[in-house]
Amino acid sequence: SAVISQKPSRDICQRGTSLTIQCQVDSQVTMMFWYRQQPGQSLTLIATANQGSEATYESGFVIDKFPISRPNLTFSTLTVSNMSPEDSSIYLCSVLQGGGTEAFFGQGTRLTVV
Amino acid sequence: KQEVTQIPAALSVPEGENLVLNCSFTDSAIYNLQWFRQDPGKGLTSLLLIQSSQREQTSGRLNASLDKSSGRSTLYIAASQPGDSATYLCAVKTGANNLFFGTGTRLTVIP
Repeated sequence: SAVISQKPSRDICQRGTSLTIQCQVDSQVTMMFWYRQQPGQSLTLIATANQGSEATYESGFVIDKFPISRPNLTFSTLTVSNMSPEDSSIYLCSVLQGGGTEAFFGQGTRLTVV
Repeated sequence: KQEVTQIPAALSVPEGENLVLNCSFTDSAIYNLQWFRQDPGKGLTSLLLIQSSQREQTSGRLNASLDKSSGRSTLYIAASQPGDSATYLCAVKTGANNLFFGTGTRLTVIP
């Protein structure tokens, strides 16, 4: 199973600022996934990050708001830009292993925007 | 679009009881189904993965079943313990990278 380290684990930020979340995997993976979990809701996929190419965003998410970097096969960052209280959520990174069948997640970043 | 539903949304049981959590999905064309545990404010821990060709998987006190044709899965927890208190999520994989999650069942095991 993959071991995924995500930082920070939580943060409280002022509206209008940006926060960058880091995700480190203990093995090389082709794709890394970023999810958002709003309070009381289930997980929603934000984007898929491939090394060496631009991330692919899901409907309702845009690069200007959630820029993603993927500099190598074990690391990715997600930035939440120009934050508002509506961005308060848990953000999670994920990878697929076992031939792309089983999903593993980081510990999550609990973001509160005030 | 695939929709995943989990019932009940919340469940409280006394310690030692056996319990069943339910997950249903609308499109039976799935690759697999995965059960996760989530502690408050934390990430997801993978519990069990059932491939579409399988009927069940077991790990310790946990047993997950899959009836793909009827769009249902259950997670059975035997001899529940207070440490089992968490939210349990099921997710179905329908494409190369598409995971659809239910909204979870929040379990409380009362000592």
